[in-house]
Amino acid sequence: KNQVEQSPQSLIILEGKNCTLQCNYTVSPFSNLRWYKQDTGRGPVSLTIMTFSENTKSNGRYTATLDADTKQSSLHITASQLSDSASYICVVSGGYGQNFVFGPGTRLSVLP
Amino acid sequence: IAGITQAPTSQILAAGRRMTLRCTQDMRHNAMYWYRQDLGLGLRLIHYSNTAGTTGKGEVPDGYSVSRANTDDFPLTLASAVPSQTSVYFCASSGVFGELFFGEGSRLTVL
Repeated sequence: KNQVEQSPQSLIILEGKNCTLQCNYTVSPFSNLRWYKQDTGRGPVSLTIMTFSENTKSNGRYTATLDADTKQSSLHITASQLSDSASYICVVSGGYGQNFVFGPGTRLSVLP
Repeated sequence: IAGITQAPTSQILAAGRRMTLRCTQDMRHNAMYWYRQDLGLGLRLIHYSNTAGTTGKGEVPDGYSVSRANTDDFPLTLASAVPSQTSVYFCASSGVFGELFFGEGSRLTVL
């Protein structure tokens, strides 16, 4: 069964600290993996997209990694800010549009 | 650029009532989707449309219907709402690169 798991379920860190969120997937075939940020009460917004051949991609303070062999991805947030408080959702695409598989998300809270 | 516009943003309705959630996009994307998001669960696909005039069932289609008369609009209808349909509903579209663009959601409470 195509599935995406994320850990931890929730995380609390202090402003300025770094953190890493994990995503494991069993989706096949694999086309690409995206990380989305969802602020409370808002729709998800794309942070990064990674294809099979990419290992690392950065978007400002956000760095995503992908290991296609072990089917794992991580999202590293550097020097966290209060505005990073949100849910982070890992989405794996199996190729066709309706084959987006969503993880349950990690809820990050950044405290001052 | 508006992107995806959903209406209403929130609604409370009695069980058994009919309800249509509206979704409009201005990006000329072919593919559109309706998801529901419940606490502790990932976004689940209700219905999708790969192009105007076609629709398909997702993971949780029961109790919902959609139509795609043109490229821009993709309404979701609950013919007879039930309390288990209380959720946040997100409309999304995707273009040639497959990235999903989401609306801001419609929060629906069925009493």
